[in-house]
Amino acid sequence: DADVTQTPRNRITKTGKRIMLECSQTKGHDRMYWYRQDPGLGLRLIYYSFDVKDINKGEISDGYSVSRQAQAKFSLSLESAIPNQTALYFCATRGTSEYNEQFFGPGTRLTVL
Amino acid sequence: EDQVTQSPEALRLQEGESSSLNCSYTVSGLRGLFWYRQDPGKGPEFLFTLYSAGEEKEKERLKATLTKKESFLHITAPKPEDSATYLCAVQARGSQGNLIFGKGTKLSVKP
Repeated sequence: DADVTQTPRNRITKTGKRIMLECSQTKGHDRMYWYRQDPGLGLRLIYYSFDVKDINKGEISDGYSVSRQAQAKFSLSLESAIPNQTALYFCATRGTSEYNEQFFGPGTRLTVL
Repeated sequence: EDQVTQSPEALRLQEGESSSLNCSYTVSGLRGLFWYRQDPGKGPEFLFTLYSAGEEKEKERLKATLTKKESFLHITAPKPEDSATYLCAVQARGSQGNLIFGKGTKLSVKP
């Protein structure tokens, strides 16, 4: 079984709809991240969390919100989706050692029409 | 401003033709440099972490090296299965472990 899972894997929605992307991990990591990836722009950080009570904005948080329901679960919400939020979304986890690498989920391809 | 630049954007090689990918960085105190491999439609897969200038790490046909300003990912005698996008990321001092990613190099290896 995969260590970091994301649901759904693909989603097509319409402008103005609320949508939630979910991430679960079995690595036992405290730190979790949400990124979006766009062609030509690379990976950009949306939000990150160091534990259940900790939420931090990343580089591009406008239009997004997150919820850390448990150590293993971190959800990303688009309250009112717009077409320029069409992208690949990745969840990642990391251990607490200073030099730990991040481990990524398989991604969610989101299309907003 | 912390920044990561990867070159070239795309690289096409024949099977067996060795080459290198470049990752140049400017950060306020490097804590670590990370290389990832990403296949189309999949999440990045961790390859290496380098911490200090002069460090080298190898895995099969890949070898990563680090200087004070850049890192190279050397690919020796590549095979078609090495085709992927290779991402470089840096962790800067005071970043709380957050990474800054380059835009990647898309490698295609033709048989």
